[in-house]
Amino acid sequence: ETGVTQSPTHLIKTRGQQVTLRCSSQSGHNTVSWYQQALGQGPQFIFQYYREEENGRGNFPPRFSGLQFPNYSSELNVNALELDDSALYLCASSSSSGVRSITDTQYFGPGTRLTVL
Amino acid sequence: AQSVSQHNHHVILSEAASLELGCNYSYGGTVNLFWYVQYPGQHLQLLLKYFSGDPLVKGIKGFEAEFIKSKFSFNLRKPSVQWSDTAEYFCAVRSGGSYIPTFGRGTSLIVHP
Repeated sequence: ETGVTQSPTHLIKTRGQQVTLRCSSQSGHNTVSWYQQALGQGPQFIFQYYREEENGRGNFPPRFSGLQFPNYSSELNVNALELDDSALYLCASSSSSGVRSITDTQYFGPGTRLTVL
Repeated sequence: AQSVSQHNHHVILSEAASLELGCNYSYGGTVNLFWYVQYPGQHLQLLLKYFSGDPLVKGIKGFEAEFIKSKFSFNLRKPSVQWSDTAEYFCAVRSGGSYIPTFGRGTSLIVHP
């Protein structure tokens, strides 16, 4: 157990719908990263939030957006869902010393399995 | 763009056999290297990491990895596997001062008792 929790565990949506996934960081962590893990692939970085601001972004379109709250919990929002968005979405928290810190170790949550029909 | 290759997608071993999982990356500069493990039904967790110093890194549960800069490799090893090592193993690399890790596609390890 890492102390990182995600909700819901599983979710089924239809194409075109919108979805919000939630992540609660490990106590004391100020940075949250989101990843998409398609079946049979490794996690792919979506974006990172540090102290409530987006800290950087991977190769994902703008319909993937996020928020980080004062308590460092986070949301991932995906609009206009497509079939290819079906994946396991992972949240990882860490304690960073500054923006874009590369020395922090990330602790992953159990993920949310999203199925788009 | 950096890339990470894990050449063994599926590995099947008997208990007490030795393990070596390959990981190669494409970036030629300074790198941070990680191995993560995902046991069945559990979350991804860090096995070991290399930032600098001794290229032979020891992690949890008897795993170790060796960073060979000239070969752009960070192979994971364990001298004697157990049934409980059955899991998915992911290599990840951060390079060039980037905070964004690139993961390999993973290696599925099955250990028969």
